[in-house]
Amino acid sequence: DAGVIQSPRHEVTEMGQEVTLRCKPISGHNSLFWYRQTMMRGLELLIYFNNNVPIDDSGMPEDRFSAKMPNASFSTLKIQPSEPRDSAVYFCASSWNSGNTGELFFGEGSRLTVL
Amino acid sequence: RKEVEQDPGPFNVPEGATVAFNCTYSNSASQSFFWYRQDCRKEPKLLMSVYSSGNEDGRFTAQLNRASQYISLLIRDSKLSDSATYLCVVNLAPGGYQKVTFGIGTKLQVIP
Repeated sequence: DAGVIQSPRHEVTEMGQEVTLRCKPISGHNSLFWYRQTMMRGLELLIYFNNNVPIDDSGMPEDRFSAKMPNASFSTLKIQPSEPRDSAVYFCASSWNSGNTGELFFGEGSRLTVL
Repeated sequence: RKEVEQDPGPFNVPEGATVAFNCTYSNSASQSFFWYRQDCRKEPKLLMSVYSSGNEDGRFTAQLNRASQYISLLIRDSKLSDSATYLCVVNLAPGGYQKVTFGIGTKLQVIP
């Protein structure tokens, strides 16, 4: 079975450029999460969608970050303009939200370096 | 105060040793609890859920103490393959939705 698919796996860009990260969740899952991981701060939740609707975006750092989920099988996280402090590994995860349980399945991550 | 706190380690233990990690959480309304494992440069994966009555999976035992708001993970007879970062995870689950918060992780290195 296909897991969560993220692209690109690696991205190196220059400050000020737009970055778009993509995620395809596991088919049938109704919850999708974007996390950012750094050594200093660990895994931070950026945004959570349930049934394609953003439920919690309190973790989105600032207006430079935006996320969309136009349908159940695709989501994007966009950073515009990018800054060096955005360098991190960005993980997408999906789950079947059955109340308060539900294992999160992570993609392999997108490693972003902003120069 | 952080929502989920863990000692980042590293914990360096010899093969065969028993090692325990603790994790505290700040919100008493938290609904469910998990331990995830993350290998170097890989994605996190579920290791085990944590139940109020405690639960065991082979060499791994997880326990929850709601009164003191901490969860623990015990690994017996450590193997080299146990070397990884162990993430404590708490789901607040407000209104049936998921608010899943990860601790920073505890790094374990099992030494031959």
